[in-house]
Order: sequence, then structure tokens, then C-alpha cells
Amino acid sequence: QKEVEQDPGPLSVPEGAIVSLNCTYSNSAFQYFMWYRQYSRKGPELLMYTYSSGNKEDGRFTAQVDKSSKYISLFIRDSQPSDSATYLCAMSADKKAAGNKLTFGGGTRVLVKP
Amino acid sequence: KAGVTQTPRYLIKTRGQQVTLSCSPISGHRSVSWYQQTPGQGLQFLFEYFSETQRNKGNFPGRFSGRQFSNSRSEMNVSTLELGDSALYLCASSPVLWTGQGSYGYTFGSGTRLTVV
Repeated sequence: QKEVEQDPGPLSVPEGAIVSLNCTYSNSAFQYFMWYRQYSRKGPELLMYTYSSGNKEDGRFTAQVDKSSKYISLFIRDSQPSDSATYLCAMSADKKAAGNKLTFGGGTRVLVKP
Repeated sequence: KAGVTQTPRYLIKTRGQQVTLSCSPISGHRSVSWYQQTPGQGLQFLFEYFSETQRNKGNFPGRFSGRQFSNSRSEMNVSTLELGDSALYLCASSPVLWTGQGSYGYTFGSGTRLTVV
């Protein structure tokens, strides 16, 4: 079983709907949580970064972390066709070992239909 | 401001050959990390370099190696290529080696698509 699980989708929603994405994880040491968006033939682009539990909002994006349930979510409000992409969650454990060693979920493909 | 530049964008190699991929970080960035992305395994961490020193290494065989030059540009090398090495290889750069303090500053490039036949 993978450390980070993510439904591969595809998740198809009409334009203007709320997109709800989530990841579950098994490693209780994870404390840093990210959400990335990846368009076809492009590298991942950081959307949200959260430390520990709680909510964080940035424009149309809201990230939630529930460490007690080992569950993180990303919500996209007022979705647009340009939001059609693969969304990846990523996590990092205690930063005793500095650096960019992230554990990624497999990604969820999202399609926003006009 | 130029982003992270990876060359070449596409590459086709034969089993048993070796390959070198290049990553030029954003100007002023000193940390470069490398990831492999495949449909089956997703994104997996390979290694990270900061100030010409390897700081972290993932669980990949010794056929995968890298280095960083004094201008922060980085290369990764894969020797004795196998079919399973076919993947998108991504590098990400950051001004500093992330310690969890402050913002997370890594930016990914668009990757090099390696096909092994």
C-alpha cells in the first residue's frame, strides 16, 4: 500500500461547480502538505502549502488538513475550464533532514466542462 | 525572469545505453532536486543538490547519479538504461535548502521525457 493515496479520477464537473479533491496518508510523521496542479506536458505548479492541521484559503482555493484522520482536501470554487488538469497532493515529514524530499499522491485528473 | 530550464525536452535511448539530463535552475537558486514521474509509480524523489553537495537521496539504484556545478546547474545521469527508466524526469529549484521554516520555494521545470526502447 502506498504512503499517500489519491483517487485517480477522472473527476468531471460542470463549469462553476466546486471541485473537491482529497488524499489520505499513512505516515503520521507528515507535517507539511502541498497541492500541485500539473497540465499536460508541464511540470507541477504549487497551488497551496500548509503546515500541520487547519484550513488555508487563497482565492478560489481552500486547503484543509486533518492530521487526526490523516486526510487532506483541496476545494476549488467557481471552477473554470482552465482548471482542467491533474492535481497532486504532496507531503513532507519532520524537517530534521532539510530539503525537498516530498512524497506524492498519484494525482487526480479533473475535467471542467463548459 | 526565466524559469527552470530542462534540456533536452525529449529523448529516445536504447536499452543498455546511458543518458545525461540537464537542469538550469532559476537565477539565484542554489538548490536543485530531481524527481521521476511514471504512470505507475507517480512522482518519486531521486536526489537533491545544494552548493554542489548531495543533501538527500531517494530509493533508486546506483545507476542513477547526479551532480551540481558551481553555477548551480545540475545534471543527472542514468547508466545501463532499462525499459522501466522510461519516464518524465523533473527538476525543481529553490533559493535555499528548505528546512520547513518560512515559505516553500521550489519551482519545477517542464521536465525531460525519456523513452527507452
